[in-house]
Amino acid sequence: QKEVEQNSGPLSVPEGAIASLNCTYSDRVSQSFFWYRQYSGKSPELIMSIYSNGDKEDGRFTAQLNKASQYVSLLIRDSQPSDSATYLCAVFSGGYNKLIFGAGTRLAVHP
Amino acid sequence: NAGVTQTPKFQVLKTGQSMTLQCAQDMNHNSMYWYRQDPGMGLRLIYYSASEGTTDKGEVPNGYNVSRLNKREFSLRLESAAPSQTSVYFCASSEVGRVDQPQHFGDGTRLSIL
Repeated sequence: QKEVEQNSGPLSVPEGAIASLNCTYSDRVSQSFFWYRQYSGKSPELIMSIYSNGDKEDGRFTAQLNKASQYVSLLIRDSQPSDSATYLCAVFSGGYNKLIFGAGTRLAVHP
Repeated sequence: NAGVTQTPKFQVLKTGQSMTLQCAQDMNHNSMYWYRQDPGMGLRLIYYSASEGTTDKGEVPNGYNVSRLNKREFSLRLESAAPSQTSVYFCASSEVGRVDQPQHFGDGTRLSIL
Protein backbone atom coordinates (compact mmCIF):
# COMPACT_ATOMS: atom_id res chain seq x y z
CA GLN A 1 0.00 0.00 0.00
CA LYS A 2 1.34 3.40 -0.97
CA GLU A 3 1.65 5.90 1.84
CA VAL A 4 -0.35 8.56 0.01
CA GLU A 5 -2.73 7.50 -2.75
CA GLN A 6 -4.50 9.53 -5.36
CA ASN A 7 -6.45 8.55 -8.44
CA SER A 8 -4.21 9.48 -11.37
CA GLY A 9 -7.14 10.60 -13.52
CA PRO A 10 -7.62 12.36 -15.74
CA LEU A 11 -10.65 13.78 -14.01
CA SER A 12 -12.65 15.61 -16.64
CA VAL A 13 -15.27 18.18 -15.60
CA PRO A 14 -17.18 20.83 -17.54
CA GLU A 15 -16.51 24.50 -16.94
CA GLY A 16 -18.53 25.78 -13.99
CA ALA A 17 -18.87 22.38 -12.32
CA ILE A 18 -17.42 21.24 -8.98
CA ALA A 19 -14.25 19.19 -9.22
CA SER A 20 -13.66 16.76 -6.36
CA LEU A 21 -10.15 15.41 -5.79
CA ASN A 22 -9.47 12.74 -3.20
CA CYS A 23 -6.46 11.48 -1.32
CA THR A 24 -6.00 8.71 1.24
CA TYR A 25 -3.02 8.17 3.50
CA SER A 26 -1.73 5.29 5.58
CA ASP A 27 0.04 6.91 8.54
CA ARG A 28 -2.54 7.37 11.31
CA VAL A 29 -0.38 9.90 13.17
CA SER A 30 -0.16 12.31 10.22
CA GLN A 31 -0.84 15.87 11.34
CA SER A 32 -0.46 18.20 8.38
CA PHE A 33 -1.98 18.01 4.92
CA PHE A 34 -1.32 20.09 1.84
CA TRP A 35 -2.65 20.44 -1.69
CA TYR A 36 -0.30 21.61 -4.43
CA ARG A 37 -1.20 22.50 -8.01
CA GLN A 38 1.29 21.74 -10.75
CA TYR A 39 0.87 22.96 -14.30
CA SER A 40 2.57 20.94 -17.01
CA GLY A 41 6.29 21.65 -17.05
CA LYS A 42 6.09 23.87 -13.99
CA SER A 43 6.87 23.52 -10.30
CA PRO A 44 4.33 22.62 -7.59
CA GLU A 45 2.50 25.58 -6.07
CA LEU A 46 0.89 25.40 -2.62
CA ILE A 47 -2.85 26.15 -2.75
CA MET A 48 -4.25 24.79 0.52
CA SER A 49 -3.14 23.46 3.88
CA ILE A 50 -5.33 21.83 6.54
CA TYR A 51 -4.48 20.57 9.99
CA SER A 52 -7.82 19.87 11.73
CA ASN A 53 -10.80 17.69 10.94
CA GLY A 54 -13.50 19.41 8.94
CA ASP A 55 -13.58 21.89 6.10
CA LYS A 56 -11.35 24.83 5.27
CA GLU A 57 -12.40 27.24 2.56
CA ASP A 58 -10.29 29.66 0.55
CA GLY A 59 -12.07 31.30 -2.37
CA ARG A 60 -13.21 28.62 -4.80
CA PHE A 61 -11.18 25.94 -2.99
CA THR A 62 -12.34 23.84 -0.03
CA ALA A 63 -10.12 21.29 1.67
CA GLN A 64 -11.80 18.57 3.73
CA LEU A 65 -10.03 16.39 6.28
CA ASN A 66 -11.29 13.24 7.98
CA LYS A 67 -8.56 11.78 10.15
CA ALA A 68 -10.68 8.84 11.34
CA SER A 69 -11.12 7.67 7.75
CA GLN A 70 -7.65 8.86 6.74
CA TYR A 71 -8.66 10.89 3.75
CA VAL A 72 -8.32 14.45 2.62
CA SER A 73 -10.11 15.99 -0.33
CA LEU A 74 -10.06 19.17 -2.37
CA LEU A 75 -13.18 20.68 -3.91
CA ILE A 76 -12.90 23.28 -6.64
CA ARG A 77 -16.12 25.18 -7.21
CA ASP A 78 -16.98 26.92 -10.48
CA SER A 79 -14.12 25.10 -12.23
CA GLN A 80 -12.32 27.06 -14.93
CA PRO A 81 -10.14 25.86 -17.82
CA SER A 82 -7.24 27.55 -16.00
CA ASP A 83 -7.71 25.01 -13.19
CA SER A 84 -6.56 22.26 -15.56
CA ALA A 85 -3.42 20.92 -13.90
CA THR A 86 -2.14 18.07 -11.77
CA TYR A 87 -3.07 18.30 -8.10
CA LEU A 88 -0.65 16.80 -5.61
CA CYS A 89 -1.69 15.73 -2.14
CA ALA A 90 1.09 15.91 0.46
CA VAL A 91 0.98 14.51 3.99
CA PHE A 92 3.42 15.12 6.80
CA SER A 93 4.15 11.67 8.13
CA GLY A 94 4.97 11.76 11.81
CA GLY A 95 6.18 8.19 11.61
CA TYR A 96 8.77 9.02 8.95
CA ASN A 97 9.27 12.69 9.89
CA LYS A 98 8.92 13.89 6.32
CA LEU A 99 6.46 15.23 3.79
CA ILE A 100 5.15 12.49 1.50
CA PHE A 101 3.56 13.29 -1.84
CA GLY A 102 0.98 11.37 -3.77
CA ALA A 103 1.53 10.82 -7.48
CA GLY A 104 -1.11 13.44 -8.32
CA THR A 105 -4.49 13.64 -10.02
CA ARG A 106 -4.69 15.26 -13.43
CA LEU A 107 -7.71 17.56 -13.75
CA ALA A 108 -9.04 18.66 -17.13
CA VAL A 109 -11.72 21.37 -17.21
CA HIS A 110 -13.34 21.63 -20.62
CA PRO A 111 -15.33 24.63 -21.89
CA ASN B 1 10.81 38.41 -5.58
CA ALA B 2 12.98 35.42 -6.53
CA GLY B 3 11.96 32.82 -3.88
CA VAL B 4 13.79 29.59 -4.69
CA THR B 5 16.23 29.72 -7.60
CA GLN B 6 17.64 26.63 -9.27
CA THR B 7 20.43 26.38 -11.82
CA PRO B 8 20.75 25.08 -14.43
CA LYS B 9 17.22 24.70 -15.84
CA PHE B 10 18.22 22.01 -18.33
CA GLN B 11 21.22 19.71 -18.58
CA VAL B 12 22.25 16.72 -20.66
CA LEU B 13 25.00 14.47 -19.33
CA LYS B 14 26.72 11.34 -20.47
CA THR B 15 26.79 8.29 -18.22
CA GLY B 16 29.61 8.60 -15.70
CA GLN B 17 29.87 12.37 -15.80
CA SER B 18 29.46 14.41 -12.64
CA MET B 19 27.62 17.63 -12.01
CA THR B 20 26.22 19.82 -9.25
CA LEU B 21 22.74 21.27 -9.17
CA GLN B 22 22.57 24.60 -7.39
CA CYS B 23 19.73 25.95 -5.26
CA ALA B 24 19.41 29.25 -3.41
CA GLN B 25 16.51 30.79 -1.49
CA ASP B 26 16.05 34.37 -0.39
CA MET B 27 13.17 33.81 2.08
CA ASN B 28 15.40 33.26 5.13
CA HIS B 29 14.06 29.72 5.45
CA ASN B 30 15.77 27.27 7.77
CA SER B 31 14.96 24.05 5.92
CA MET B 32 15.79 23.03 2.36
CA TYR B 33 15.01 19.91 0.33
CA TRP B 34 15.88 18.13 -2.89
CA TYR B 35 13.24 16.06 -4.69
CA ARG B 36 13.11 14.18 -7.93
CA GLN B 37 9.91 13.78 -9.92
CA ASP B 38 9.37 10.93 -12.34
CA PRO B 39 6.23 10.20 -14.37
CA GLY B 40 3.57 8.44 -12.28
CA MET B 41 5.67 8.46 -9.12
CA GLY B 42 5.14 11.90 -7.63
CA LEU B 43 7.83 13.74 -5.75
CA ARG B 44 10.40 11.68 -3.91
CA LEU B 45 12.70 13.19 -1.31
CA ILE B 46 16.41 12.72 -2.01
CA TYR B 47 18.01 14.69 0.83
CA TYR B 48 16.99 17.45 3.15
CA SER B 49 18.62 19.94 5.48
CA ALA B 50 16.51 20.87 8.50
CA SER B 51 18.85 23.72 9.36
CA GLU B 52 22.21 25.17 8.40
CA GLY B 53 24.94 22.65 9.12
CA THR B 54 22.76 19.53 9.02
CA THR B 55 21.77 17.16 6.24
CA ASP B 56 19.77 13.93 6.24
CA LYS B 57 18.88 11.24 3.76
CA GLY B 58 15.43 11.06 2.29
CA GLU B 59 13.68 8.26 0.44
CA VAL B 60 16.07 7.89 -2.53
CA PRO B 61 19.59 9.14 -1.55
CA ASN B 62 21.72 6.59 -3.40
CA GLY B 63 23.95 8.14 -6.06
CA TYR B 64 23.65 11.67 -4.67
CA ASN B 65 25.46 13.92 -2.23
CA VAL B 66 24.46 17.29 -0.83
CA SER B 67 26.08 20.33 0.72
CA ARG B 68 24.36 22.99 2.79
CA LEU B 69 26.80 25.75 1.98
CA ASN B 70 25.08 28.38 4.15
CA LYS B 71 21.54 29.25 5.13
CA ARG B 72 20.66 30.30 1.58
CA GLU B 73 22.27 27.59 -0.52
CA PHE B 74 21.81 23.82 -0.81
CA SER B 75 23.51 21.93 -3.62
CA LEU B 76 22.96 18.43 -4.99
CA ARG B 77 25.81 16.52 -6.59
CA LEU B 78 25.76 13.53 -8.90
CA GLU B 79 29.23 11.99 -8.73
CA SER B 80 28.81 9.46 -11.54
CA ALA B 81 25.58 10.01 -13.44
CA ALA B 82 23.48 7.01 -14.48
CA PRO B 83 20.52 6.87 -16.92
CA SER B 84 18.24 6.02 -13.96
CA GLN B 85 18.92 9.52 -12.65
CA THR B 86 17.19 11.10 -15.63
CA SER B 87 14.46 13.10 -13.96
CA VAL B 88 13.19 16.53 -13.03
CA TYR B 89 14.84 17.79 -9.86
CA PHE B 90 13.14 20.27 -7.56
CA CYS B 91 14.62 22.19 -4.71
CA ALA B 92 12.28 23.44 -1.98
CA SER B 93 12.50 25.40 1.24
CA SER B 94 10.32 25.93 4.30
CA GLU B 95 10.17 28.47 7.07
CA VAL B 96 11.09 26.56 10.20
CA GLY B 97 13.16 23.51 10.96
CA ARG B 98 10.21 21.17 10.71
CA VAL B 99 9.07 19.32 7.62
CA ASP B 100 5.40 19.87 8.43
CA GLN B 101 5.55 23.45 7.24
CA PRO B 102 4.50 24.28 3.65
CA GLN B 103 7.31 24.02 1.19
CA HIS B 104 8.08 26.48 -1.60
CA PHE B 105 9.54 25.07 -4.79
CA GLY B 106 12.02 26.26 -7.36
CA ASP B 107 11.32 25.96 -11.09
CA GLY B 108 13.17 22.66 -11.42
CA THR B 109 16.13 21.26 -13.32
CA ARG B 110 15.39 18.90 -16.18
CA LEU B 111 18.26 16.44 -16.32
CA SER B 112 18.81 13.85 -19.05
CA ILE B 113 21.55 11.25 -18.82
CA LEU B 114 22.48 9.41 -21.98
